[in-house]
Amino acid sequence: AQKVTQAQTEISVVEKEDVTLDCVYETRDTTYYLFWYKQPPSGELVFLIRRNSFDEQNEISGRYSWNFQKSTSSFNFTITASQVVDSAVYFCALSSGGYQKVTFGTGTKLQVIP
Amino acid sequence: DGGITQSPKYLFRKEGQNVTLSCEQNLNHDAMYWYRQDPGQGLRLIYYSQIVNDFQKGDIAEGYSVSREKKESFPLTVTSAQKNPTAFYLCASSGTGLTPQHFGDGTRLSIL
Repeated sequence: AQKVTQAQTEISVVEKEDVTLDCVYETRDTTYYLFWYKQPPSGELVFLIRRNSFDEQNEISGRYSWNFQKSTSSFNFTITASQVVDSAVYFCALSSGGYQKVTFGTGTKLQVIP
Repeated sequence: DGGITQSPKYLFRKEGQNVTLSCEQNLNHDAMYWYRQDPGQGLRLIYYSQIVNDFQKGDIAEGYSVSREKKESFPLTVTSAQKNPTAFYLCASSGTGLTPQHFGDGTRLSIL
């Protein structure tokens, strides 16, 4: 069985503050993939990043960065200098077992206040 | 542009009625999925299909049915057996291997 926990239900920050969204996962497989998706108010999910279990390098993409730590089973997402357009629900997801089934966390709603 | 089209955007169901949600993709993806999203519960998998004419139940398949007669299409029927159908329904597709899933804009289903 696999599980994704996003303990932060809602976060509010003031524009330009940095914010970190936490994601903790559980799986018995040694090969797995982790994902982050953004769901703006319009409803569609937008893919942000995929990371496989053998690649623990942190990644930075503009104001976004991701910290993958297998030792703590965490895949945290940091937004630097947040903007109002970052307001959305963010989902962490896990896929393992060699097939396409993806388990999503319950999401973290981020509100960036101008 | 390639993508996933879900229709309608809003749908209302009367008691005892079956309704069908449409999902079409032109990404040439083999796999397609249906998820249900309720407030505070994230996404839960209803059905998925890895190839034409084949599909598997997800975690909450009761009260739903699907078909996969064409690669591009994966319609979801919400039957009268689904007693609590009010939710936001998302369709997704993906290529081979553990590639990221691409999502449609969703259909919001409500009960009249």
